Amino acid sequence: AQSVTQLDSQVPVFEEAPVELRCNYSSSVSVYLFWYVQYPNQGLQLLLKYLSGSTLVKGINGFEAEFNKSQTSFHLRKPSVHISDTAEYFCAVSEGGSYIPTFGRGTSLIVHP
Amino acid sequence: DAGVTQSPTHLIKTRGQQVTLRCSPKSGHDTVSWYQQALGQGPQFIFQYYEEEERQRGNFPDRFSGHQFPNYSSELNVNALLLGDSALYLCASSDRRQGNTEAFFGQGTRLTVV
Repeated sequence: AQSVTQLDSQVPVFEEAPVELRCNYSSSVSVYLFWYVQYPNQGLQLLLKYLSGSTLVKGINGFEAEFNKSQTSFHLRKPSVHISDTAEYFCAVSEGGSYIPTFGRGTSLIVHP
Repeated sequence: DAGVTQSPTHLIKTRGQQVTLRCSPKSGHDTVSWYQQALGQGPQFIFQYYEEEERQRGNFPDRFSGHQFPNYSSELNVNALLLGDSALYLCASSDRRQGNTEAFFGQGTRLTVV
């Protein structure tokens, strides 16, 4: 069975600084990987996904993530954050052919002015 | 395109009561999944419906049941509510016929059990 570990529960950062949110997964088969963002009192919005092909994936709002199969990681990065990026970020994995992503516990990104 | 819509947005119930939550999938989607998100946690998979049948189920008791209608909309029912059932309930839809694994989420229903 797949699982996801988000290594940081909270990441504080100043506006315009770069940020990396870490995600590791475990699975015995090929996987699809996702990052979702959740703003307060809202549902989940897909930031980006990795299904196959290039290991560097670009998403919305300037975010990108890199799939590293040998390290079973899928870290999320942004070169310069804004106040509006303050939200909860969830990494998720689904095994190839599955339609059911398994989520990590989330990382709270807090951007300070 | 209205996306995934859920109703109601908020709900307060008393312990022991029963509740029904509703979900309309994104246009063209045929698969609906339900998740429970407790405060400070990631979403936990409850079950998934496709072609009006429950296809997969997570680690949730039988008090949690569901239904999918011919128009692909879905309901989540919870019986004998416990205080621990208080959570945000999220519905997600996807297009299994097209082999699309991306799940689109609704805004959720915030259930409070008192």
